[in-house]
Amino acid sequence: AQTVTQSQPEMSVQEAETVTLSCTYDTSESDYYLFWYKQPPSRQMILVIRQEAYKQQNATENRFSVNFQKAAKSFSLKISDSQLGDAAMYFCAYRSAMAGGGADGLTFGKGTHLIIQP
Amino acid sequence: EAGVAQSPRYKIIEKRQSVAFWCNPISGHATLYWYQQILGQGPKLLIQFQNNGVVDDSQLPKDRFSAERLKGVDSTLKIQPAKLEDSAVYLCASSSKGASGTSYEQYFGPGTRLTVT
Repeated sequence: AQTVTQSQPEMSVQEAETVTLSCTYDTSESDYYLFWYKQPPSRQMILVIRQEAYKQQNATENRFSVNFQKAAKSFSLKISDSQLGDAAMYFCAYRSAMAGGGADGLTFGKGTHLIIQP
Repeated sequence: EAGVAQSPRYKIIEKRQSVAFWCNPISGHATLYWYQQILGQGPKLLIQFQNNGVVDDSQLPKDRFSAERLKGVDSTLKIQPAKLEDSAVYLCASSSKGASGTSYEQYFGPGTRLTVT
């Protein structure tokens, strides 16, 4: 079974600064997807960014980028120019691309609470 | 495009009572997921449907939890009887699949917060 570990329960950053959230995962599979989701107090899970394991190039979405190290099984999220609206829980998630029968539910980490200091 | 709808948003029940949650996925999405999110943890998959068939229910506590998606559209998750440890947010998500069978992004609903006293 796959596991996802987020070792930072809480992170704090000054507005306009850059912050990096860490995530490691364990899997024996070679083909999979990795995601970062944002969950504000409203509880709505919002996809921030996704990375296909077969792609060497790190994904970027505006101020959000990832550092994907497949050999190290590491998948960190960098948020540049932090804004007050970025404050939320951030979850790292894994999805198999090889599961039989089409099973492709997400495996989540425990999350990192990101605080933005004005 | 309307998002994933869930109801109720909040529910408080006593232990040993029954409760049901409803989810309506995004129109056209064949795949539907139920997740349980206990306070302080990430969501955990309970069950995945493809149309009206179950794809994965390996983490569903089948002695007390049941779920159905009879017409391949909306879905109901039931707990009977509830225990204190069932207090959690129950999230529903849906996704579509491409011609190759690859799933696209999972879209989540706002969740139902269940408190069992």
